[in-house]
Amino acid sequence: QSALTQPASVSGSPGQSITISCTGTSSDIGAYNYVSWYQQHPGKAPTLMIYDVIKRPSGVSNRFSGSKSGDTASLTISGLQAEDEADYYCSSYTTSSNYIFGIGTQVTVL
Amino acid sequence: QLQLQESGPGLVKPSETLSLTCTVSGGSISSSNSYWGWIRQSPGKGLEWLGSIYYTGSTYYNPSFKSRVTVSLDTSKSQFSLKMSSVTAADTAVYYCARRPLSTVTVDYWGQGTQVTVSS
Repeated sequence: QSALTQPASVSGSPGQSITISCTGTSSDIGAYNYVSWYQQHPGKAPTLMIYDVIKRPSGVSNRFSGSKSGDTASLTISGLQAEDEADYYCSSYTTSSNYIFGIGTQVTVL
Repeated sequence: QLQLQESGPGLVKPSETLSLTCTVSGGSISSSNSYWGWIRQSPGKGLEWLGSIYYTGSTYYNPSFKSRVTVSLDTSKSQFSLKMSSVTAADTAVYYCARRPLSTVTVDYWGQGTQVTVSS
């Protein structure tokens, strides 16, 4: 099963909003509302930022929001801050009972 | 606060079996609310889910690894383990243990990760 498609990099200035897309198929993103987003700083383990497409775990800033349309999910970071500079990965459950990830997007705060 | 910690050899020879253990603290590994699993990350393949186990012992594997991967549980030690057979250089990666809550399909707790290199 192929990985989900994400842009390699996205950048923005402090205070701006950016959106990261995650494109799958009707067998994964399009099939379930089980899309998650993870933030990973260099040398660290990923951290859960969004799950079930739109839900935020306790402690995650409300500057992070998720959405989905068809086979594409999106993560929006509003009010971009220096600490948001990291790699971001999407993931989805699949109709073959598998769990797949995106290739990752590097977010740069200019 | 739930904590997961991986342990095991950092170097494995080609064709041998990779063995890692994850110790769970701050919560019960026998909880009916949790699946316990393994995910790896390499520069070439990115993040890959390998397999998971429920407290009942039921296991679930990524079809790409099903023939080589075994996940097991030792509730007496609050640990679960990964075994991957017939490793090659392509299995060189950072290996994470992780928790998936019963209520949905996501990973809400990760170990810090352990680097495993396959080389002779």
